[in-house]
Amino acid sequence: DAGVTQSPTHLIKTRGQQVTLRCSPKSGHDTVSWYQQALGQGPQFIFQYYEEEERQRGNFPDRFSGHQFPNYSSELNVNALLLGDSALYLCASSLQYQETQYFGPGTRLLVL
Amino acid sequence: AQKVTQAQTEISVVEKEDVTLDCVYETRDTTYYLFWYKQPPSGELVFLIRRNSFDEQNEISGRYSWNFQKSTSSFNFTITASQVVDSAVYFCALVYDRGSTLGRLYFGRGTQLTVWP
Repeated sequence: DAGVTQSPTHLIKTRGQQVTLRCSPKSGHDTVSWYQQALGQGPQFIFQYYEEEERQRGNFPDRFSGHQFPNYSSELNVNALLLGDSALYLCASSLQYQETQYFGPGTRLLVL
Repeated sequence: AQKVTQAQTEISVVEKEDVTLDCVYETRDTTYYLFWYKQPPSGELVFLIRRNSFDEQNEISGRYSWNFQKSTSSFNFTITASQVVDSAVYFCALVYDRGSTLGRLYFGRGTQLTVWP
């Protein structure tokens, strides 16, 4: 039973560039959530997707956008990268109406 | 507003010692779920335990046990006979349930546990 997968594992970008991160949910899961984890902090919720729609959003600017595909996989896009966007980006999947979220290994983004 | 506080930033123990990680939460919701996740150096958050707000029965699962007390809004986690492989950052988290939507996890800042051989 495949768990949550994310790609790429590491990424280096420069300020102003755009980045796309990808996530495949655990088999059978239909809901994907994205979190940003800065060094030494707890994960912060970015947004959640279900049925290809954004269901909830945290306190992140519009530079952060996402998409969910019919196969439930998801992308996180960040435009106009800032140094402060450097973080570990975690994807979590769950079943709608189920409370437990399962996380992938994350993508480490470094913005120079 | 939802808030999770982990006052212990770092804990160090020697192998085979018992260790308790503290978690205090705030929520105005009556239906919610509390979690503990483990984050080893690799970065992946590993789900450990879950408790819903209507079940204050404390349980033991292997070397893990938890103490949920609604009266003090605490959800403490204990590792018995700690091992070096338990070294990681441990996060307490909360999600509230409003109607048919379960959403974001609110995390504490984490507790770095180091177990020395």
